[in-house]
Amino acid sequence: DAGITQSPRHKVTETGTPVTLRCHQTENHRYMYWYRQDPGHGLRLIHYSYGVKDTDKGEVSDGYSVSRSKTEDFLLTLESATSSQTSVYFCAIASVSTSTDTQYFGPGTRLTVL
Amino acid sequence: QKEVEQDPGPLSVPEGAIVSLNCTYSNSAFQYFMWYRQYSRKGPELLMYTYSSGNKEDGRFTAQVDKSSKYISLFIRDSQPSDSATYLCAMMDDYGQNFVFGPGTRLSVLP
Repeated sequence: DAGITQSPRHKVTETGTPVTLRCHQTENHRYMYWYRQDPGHGLRLIHYSYGVKDTDKGEVSDGYSVSRSKTEDFLLTLESATSSQTSVYFCAIASVSTSTDTQYFGPGTRLTVL
Repeated sequence: QKEVEQDPGPLSVPEGAIVSLNCTYSNSAFQYFMWYRQYSRKGPELLMYTYSSGNKEDGRFTAQVDKSSKYISLFIRDSQPSDSATYLCAMMDDYGQNFVFGPGTRLSVLP
């Protein structure tokens, strides 16, 4: 998985609780992304980062925040989890945003919000 | 209309068949076209990568892009049971900030 790990790999939590997912890379890539994957919707971008402390919103950012204090770590936080955030979350990395490179994905985190 | 459309399947074929997977899109700014393969409970892995129109071949896999029709295809020759997975198309514009996935097509290759 191109030097990408995600933790935890599985989590069950209750509505209203805060949840933080971690993405860690050993590739020193500049760009990092958080996606969620749901049946019928494919992969949808939540937030992305183009450098330390530089982040921007994606297609489905409501209810999520991110932080990137180090090149290797990108955190996704659900401030108050809701059942609609039950999903599989994937982190991806890229060395450049265009040209000959593209995104490589982590193994995913399966989140269930009860 | 979604930006990228893809038949969700499932598509079942016998071993050895030629498989054709397709995506259509609406944004003419897309220049980079990718196909990812995703096995159950795994992250997507890059399979093919094409810039602009044309064909690209890699072993049993051929990617085709027709920008005039806004249509891309992935062909798998001599399909194997190990090809059973969900195939996602993805597209990106020249600025790299609009990276969009199709919903995926689930393929089963039966021995």
